[in-house]
Amino acid sequence: EVQLLESGGGFVQFGGSLRLSCAASGFTFSNYAMSWVRQAPGKGLEWVSAISGGGDGTNYADSVEGRFTISRDNSKNTLYLQMISLRDADTAVYYCAKDRVSCSSATCYPDVFDLWGQGTTVIVSS
Amino acid sequence: EIVMTQSPATLSVSPGERGTLSCRASQSVSSNLAWYQQKPGQAPRLLIYGTSTRATNIPARFSGSGSGTEFTLTISSLQSEDFAVYYCQQYSKWPPAFGQGTKVEIK
Repeated sequence: EVQLLESGGGFVQFGGSLRLSCAASGFTFSNYAMSWVRQAPGKGLEWVSAISGGGDGTNYADSVEGRFTISRDNSKNTLYLQMISLRDADTAVYYCAKDRVSCSSATCYPDVFDLWGQGTTVIVSS
Repeated sequence: EIVMTQSPATLSVSPGERGTLSCRASQSVSSNLAWYQQKPGQAPRLLIYGTSTRATNIPARFSGSGSGTEFTLTISSLQSEDFAVYYCQQYSKWPPAFGQGTKVEIK
């Protein structure tokens, strides 16, 4: 079955750290760029970060640049998001999402997301 | 950075009626525009990409149009399962950006 399954969310104190994981199955993981997209309570969708299929190209939203690090382990079909210096504004459901078009090069164009996980909730408490 | 603006914020429609949602980009995104549907407690689902191409298993009552900076999602005859929040997304330039959403509710 084609699916994405996030984990690692939870409660964290202001300024703390957390690592999210996203396990992929049912498709050739290394062929696709992957993204993290978040949704604050009652709010819309915000793209956070993307990584190329090979893991050698990354992009970040300004709001998380320097605090979040996206990575992947293609041998484990798993995507990660390391988050440090967490703020109240980082409280959200975090989704991992797969690009529709395959891209293995370091520089991928932005794309649409045709497969989403169920999300994992991060709550930053001050 | 491209900003996406959706209107209206809420659309009240009776079942069986047509619903028309709008999305405007702050600069041209060519045809690199997608639409998603999100129901409460669920992840978003891709409906339309490339402005007008329906994603896999999306019913024909969903159609998209537009180009450049002005885009429209039309639901020809709203079914009960279509009442949800809809987001547009540009993927012409980094960073990809979503609109703030349009909630389609039962009138």
